Amino acid sequence: GENVEQHPSTLSVQEGDSAVIKCTYSDSASNYFPWYKQELGKGPQLIIDIRSNVGEKKDQRIAVTLNKTAKHFSLHITETQPEDSAVYFCAASNTNAGKSTFGDGTTLTVKP
Amino acid sequence: EPEVTQTPSHQVTQMGQEVILRCVPISNHLYFYWYRQILGQKVEFLVSFYNNEISEKSEIFDDQFSVERPDGSNFTLKIRSTKLEDSAMYFCASSDQGPPSGNTIYFGEGSWLTVV
Repeated sequence: GENVEQHPSTLSVQEGDSAVIKCTYSDSASNYFPWYKQELGKGPQLIIDIRSNVGEKKDQRIAVTLNKTAKHFSLHITETQPEDSAVYFCAASNTNAGKSTFGDGTTLTVKP
Repeated sequence: EPEVTQTPSHQVTQMGQEVILRCVPISNHLYFYWYRQILGQKVEFLVSFYNNEISEKSEIFDDQFSVERPDGSNFTLKIRSTKLEDSAMYFCASSDQGPPSGNTIYFGEGSWLTVV
């Protein structure tokens, strides 16, 4: 089955700096890669996703890149703000299947 | 904005008791999921459900688990005889598209189950 590894497990940045979180996946059949933000006591909330026919996608301060050959994808947050502090999860799935496999999560702390 | 709602938000139950967790998916969604998250760990897939039957399930989803869509709006997860290791946050999720179009899924706030 699919295995997703996520790094780093914790990340602390100064407000205004950029944050990068990286994930690798094992199943070459995976073709959909969402990123979720989870705040304390809440469910994961989709923040951005990318499909395998695209190499990069951007939404304001958030961008995701995908390297299918290397089987890795990354989340980039620019101009970080304290409200970006949360746990971020990457996930990978094969859209011919019904499930997503999640990474272990990255706890991002943005210091004012 | 439409959302997935779950009840209860927190339940404490004795080991061996049955628990039913309830979910109301987003109204036009057709694909439903249950995931769980043990404290401090990753989100794990349990089961997907479409057209009144299970589409896929993980090895975690053994015979003590069952899912049901008893009416047009609710989606339930039943744990027949709870064990201590079932203590976790259980997330319901839904999506309007399934395989092969894509599966952007939307999560509820979770039901925190504590087995004592």
